[in-house]
Amino acid sequence: AQTVTQSQPEMSVQEAETVTLSCTYDTSENNYYLFWYKQPPSRQMILVIRQEAYKQQNATENRFSVNFQKAAKSFSLKISDSQLGDTAMYFCAYNAGNMLTFGGGTRLMVKP
Amino acid sequence: GAGVSQSPSNKVTEKGKDVELRCDPISGHTALYWYRQSLGQGLEFLIYFQGNSAPDKSGLPSDRFSAERTGGSVSTLTIQRTQQEDSAVYLCASSLTSGRRDTQYFGPGTRLTVL
Repeated sequence: AQTVTQSQPEMSVQEAETVTLSCTYDTSENNYYLFWYKQPPSRQMILVIRQEAYKQQNATENRFSVNFQKAAKSFSLKISDSQLGDTAMYFCAYNAGNMLTFGGGTRLMVKP
Repeated sequence: GAGVSQSPSNKVTEKGKDVELRCDPISGHTALYWYRQSLGQGLEFLIYFQGNSAPDKSGLPSDRFSAERTGGSVSTLTIQRTQQEDSAVYLCASSLTSGRRDTQYFGPGTRLTVL
């Protein structure tokens, strides 16, 4: 069975600084997708960024980028120039078929 | 366009009662998913529908849980004889098609509290 692990339950960062959230996963599949979702207090899960396992180039979306290390099964999220609106729960997720398998989440607090 | 909507936003019920949770997916999305988010178990997959195919029910925790999707659109998750451990946020998501590459878009969830 696939598992996704986020080893940092909580993190904090100063506004405008950079923070990296960690995620590791375990799978025997070769073709899969990885996602980072953000869940603010409103509960709405919002896609932040996605990565296809076959693509060596790391995905980037504005201030958000990933460091995808396939051999190490690692998929970290870097948030640059952190903003107060980035305060939320962040979930790493894996999909090799239909359903998403989620990590336990990291609560990120951006401090003014 | 409109995103995934869910109703009710919050539901409080008494132990032993039945509840129905509703999900309206994004128009044109053929795949629909239900997940449960609880403090103890995190985010868990419950059930998945793709078009007119038989649903994947492999994540349903007990036979008290069931779901249907009418006309390939709206879905209802039913929990019979609710227990306190059913208290959680129930999230619905939809995607254009099924499969690993399609992004799943989530609704705001229904918070269920069983007293």
